[in-house]
This record gives sequence, C-alpha cells and structure tokens, in this order.
Amino acid sequence: DAKTTQPPSMDCAEGRAANLPCNHSTISGNEYVYWYRQIHSQGPQYIIHGLKNNETNEMASLIITEDRKSSTLILPHATLRDTAVYYCIVRRLDTNAGKSTFGDGTTLTVKP
Amino acid sequence: GAVVSQHPSRVICKSGTSVKIECRSLDFQATTMFWYRQFPKQSLMLMATSNEGSKATYEQGVEKDKFLINHASLTLSTLTVTSAHPEDSSFYICSARNKVSGKSYGYTFGSGTRLTVV
Repeated sequence: DAKTTQPPSMDCAEGRAANLPCNHSTISGNEYVYWYRQIHSQGPQYIIHGLKNNETNEMASLIITEDRKSSTLILPHATLRDTAVYYCIVRRLDTNAGKSTFGDGTTLTVKP
Repeated sequence: GAVVSQHPSRVICKSGTSVKIECRSLDFQATTMFWYRQFPKQSLMLMATSNEGSKATYEQGVEKDKFLINHASLTLSTLTVTSAHPEDSSFYICSARNKVSGKSYGYTFGSGTRLTVV
C-alpha cells in the first residue's frame, strides 16, 4: 500500500470548514483513498473513501486531485465533537485486503 | 450499518495471567478480521490478520504464541494475551470488513479494549 503524508496537527474554529490535506504521491491506479478518524480512546471511525472522483456523504467531502497524488478531506461545519486524529490511508479494494497501514495522522482541534 | 462489538472495553489483570478479548461482527459476516495495538500517543499498529477457519497471519515482530488468535465463526474472532506483562498494556482494536457492503463502509472498527497489566 502507498504511504501517505499528513500534517501532524491543525486547528479549526467551530462552525468553519476544516480542510485536512493528505499526500499520496506513490498511489497506484487500483488504490483507493480512505479517511478514518479516531476520537480519544475509541476505535477508528470510517468517514469516506474514493478512487478518483470527488465524493460527498453526510459526514464530509473528499477532493482528490486529477493526478491522484493528493487529497483533501473537508468537514464543512466543524464542531467541537470533530476534534480527533484523522487518518488518510491508501489501499486496494481487494476482497481479502484489509491491512490498513495507519500513519501518524493529523490531530484536528476544533476550538470554540 | 455495519457494527463491530468488542469486549471487554477495559480490563485490568495481574502479571502472568491471560486475558481474552472478543471481537464480534453484529450484523454481517466477516471472513477476515484484523487486530491492532495502539500505545499512548502513537498510531495503530497491525498485529495480525484473523481468518475464519484457518490460522492467523501475524505481522513481523508479533509473537504468535503470546497473542493467540481464534476465528471460529464468521462473526467472532478472539485475541488472547497469554502470560501478560506490564509492557503488554495497550489499547487493542479489532476491525472487520463488511462482506456484503464493503463498498460503502470499508473496514469497521471495534471500540477497542484498554488492557492494563499490573
């Protein structure tokens, strides 16, 4: 699986959009970009994933650059409960592939 | 949506004893589950891949005789930490892939087990 690079920490004001970047310059054509987050002392929570098109769900939006070498997770209206460590992972969608290599992630702190 | 239940959420045990952690997929079948360990202020580290009906696959550096994994059914995997020592104190997390709707959910994680060995 391709490695990812994320900034170690970011701050965001409550109610504003949080934009979390991720670099994955060695991504392969069949690898998806996944985002998870982990609130303190809990298991990771799936947020969103995509291959090359931008994706949106009730939690967030995922913007993937045309060359697929980077992506941005957007939380449109951050709340205090969005404070967590956000992990960007790149891997194939094989039936039995499950190894998610977690990097250090980005610690997002939403401030009032 | 897919739910993975992990039990217990917290456990304290004496050094030298064994502890079993359960990971259950509640509303889907999981032929493969994964076990992670997370030390304070560190990222998740994959320990092993648990395969239903066959032996688990361990990552390099993880002692298979110390961390026993059993995946006896499509909805249950267990991790037993044998002869626990204080350095085994950690946050253990399992995950499973929803076989039916894997496209939508990726991998669902349990809520984790905080193990403290005293």
